[in-house]
Amino acid sequence: QQQVKQSPQSLIVQKGGISIINCAYENTAFDYFPWYQQFPGKGPALLIAIRPDVSEKKEGRFTISFNKSAKQFSLHIMDSQPGDSATYFCAAGAQGGKLIFGQGTELSVKP
Amino acid sequence: KAGVTQTPRYLIKTRGQQVTLSCSPISGHRSVSWYQQTPGQGLQFLFEYFSETQRNKGNFPGRFSGRQFSNSRSEMNVSTLELGDSALYLCASSLHSNQNTGELFFGEGSRLTVL
Repeated sequence: QQQVKQSPQSLIVQKGGISIINCAYENTAFDYFPWYQQFPGKGPALLIAIRPDVSEKKEGRFTISFNKSAKQFSLHIMDSQPGDSATYFCAAGAQGGKLIFGQGTELSVKP
Repeated sequence: KAGVTQTPRYLIKTRGQQVTLSCSPISGHRSVSWYQQTPGQGLQFLFEYFSETQRNKGNFPGRFSGRQFSNSRSEMNVSTLELGDSALYLCASSLHSNQNTGELFFGEGSRLTVL
């Protein structure tokens, strides 16, 4: 019940395309859903986060869509660029608890 | 403002040995969390310290331990190393102990190889 399942494991997208990464959770106590981006040799860095009181949050080319009833949330990267090539982690957290991370998605954007 | 600093960045050990990893959080941050990152497993939570007290612990054996000092710096120790302990160990600091109220700031990690 503490798991966060992330898919796909890897993703190849053409420059200018849309990258979509999906995550699912079971614990209804989760109330914080961040996405982290990690470049090779670096630690993960917060990209964007959402709370369940909204269904969508957009920051530039990055959008989180949240479906509370389905217990799913996804990251959309519009107009994907080669510089977006990185590993993306979704995560979920509950009040007083620790963040549970998904397994990660390795995104490669081809020029 | 300096980021999270982890030392050493790389180390090689043999089975049965022990290792100590160090983490200096961002100035003012009192919470330090440790994660193990391996291919296919993502980020596995080890433990979290806040004001020198362990607040949360993940599902790792007792060979994995940690502590936090009064200046918020933290160390983690792995004893009796096994081949499966080879991983990138990441430290993250945050202002609050509650991980769902704000951002985690990660260091670049300590890559441990066990031979």
